[in-house]
Amino acid sequence: GQQLNQSPQSMFIQEGEDVSMNCTSSSIFNTWLWYKQEPGEGPVLLIALYKAGELTSNGRLTAQFGITRKDSFLNISASIPSDVGIYFCAGLSGAGSYQLTFGKGTKLSVIP
Amino acid sequence: ETGVTQTPRHLVMGMTNKKSLKCEQHLGHNAMYWYKQSAKKPLELMFVYNFKEQTENNSVPSRFSPECPNSSHLFLHLHTLQPEDSALYLCASSQQNRVQNEKLFFGSGTQLSVL
Repeated sequence: GQQLNQSPQSMFIQEGEDVSMNCTSSSIFNTWLWYKQEPGEGPVLLIALYKAGELTSNGRLTAQFGITRKDSFLNISASIPSDVGIYFCAGLSGAGSYQLTFGKGTKLSVIP
Repeated sequence: ETGVTQTPRHLVMGMTNKKSLKCEQHLGHNAMYWYKQSAKKPLELMFVYNFKEQTENNSVPSRFSPECPNSSHLFLHLHTLQPEDSALYLCASSQQNRVQNEKLFFGSGTQLSVL
């Protein structure tokens, strides 16, 4: 089956630092989604990407759909303590496909 | 508040018990999903319902039995579970169309412990 390799698995950063994480696959995806999950809650959608090369921002978050359609990146600028959580990438492979493939997540810890 | 409500938030059950998880979506979506989330593993899709019809069943053991009486409500009936079934069970909804699925909106989940 399809797999998404998400890295890093976890990161510890100082408040104010920028963060980068990525998701790669050997398969092509037509849609990339980035979710954040806080303790005791379900994943919340952050950004959705639909076209290769697309760059989309949501506040301090920026995500890109890789031009090969096999990867995606999420950047967080000037991190703050409430950015703590697990960030998941998810991909959708094509028209008529309704099953998202999820990565294992990147656990982000922010040190005040 | 994502528009998807799950109850209960926490559930502890013995292996011989029967219990049900409930999910309700207030987003007008036509598809609902059950996912299982275990530590250090990707989210696992269990079931998909579109317009109340089950469209996916990812080889889930029969001790998990879904029910979708209408497009706003989804249940997961549990019986004779095993300790390895302990996990966070997430419900989600989306608006599916002919071209592709749209974004999933998740509930807060039910944290299940099987003793």
